[in-house]
Amino acid sequence: DSGVTQTPKHLITATGQRVTLRCSPRSGDLSVYWYQQSLDQGLQFLIQYYNGEERAKGNILERFSAQQFPDLHSELNLSSLELGDSALYFCASSVEAGGPGEQYFGPGTRLTVT
Amino acid sequence: AQKITQTQPGMFVQEKEAVTLDCTYDTSDPSYGLFWYKQPSSGEMIFLIYQGSYDQQNATEGRYSLNFQKARKSANLVISASQLGDSAMYFCAMRSPSQRGSARQLTFGSGTQLTVLP
Repeated sequence: DSGVTQTPKHLITATGQRVTLRCSPRSGDLSVYWYQQSLDQGLQFLIQYYNGEERAKGNILERFSAQQFPDLHSELNLSSLELGDSALYFCASSVEAGGPGEQYFGPGTRLTVT
Repeated sequence: AQKITQTQPGMFVQEKEAVTLDCTYDTSDPSYGLFWYKQPSSGEMIFLIYQGSYDQQNATEGRYSLNFQKARKSANLVISASQLGDSAMYFCAMRSPSQRGSARQLTFGSGTQLTVLP
């Protein structure tokens, strides 16, 4: 158990809909990262938040957005869903205060868009 | 831009034997970190081992060791005494330079599916 929690574990929804994925980082970790894993694109970085502020953006679509709340949990919002958005979405957290900065991943949310 | 290459889509190893999973990387930054993660069929990503670009010695964590050859830009994972539970997808990843205030997202390779045979 990495200490990172993600809900829900599975999500099935229809095209055009909007969903929210939730992540709670490990205790003490200030940084939250979101990644998308799909068969055709592999593991891709989407966005990073550090202590409530957006730190970096990767290959995140404009239809997707995220935020990190004062209690450091984060939410990834996916809207106008398309079939191609079906993927495993991971949240990861790290300390960021020096050290190797290894990221600990949550169990993921498997999103299926039908 | 950073790039991680894993050229072995699949590997087989006999139980109790050692196996090496290949990883090469490309970066122009002098400071970087290299990571290996394991993803079992259940889907979670498990951190295994880390190697910093300035580390003088190869990293080791239990049965995992990293064969770091900086000049060749390779960071191969060696698993000794393979166990059936080692069957999983293994990902090599690189982190951008750790400048203060900078992002530290990981760039992943395409992974190697390891199957341990009884």
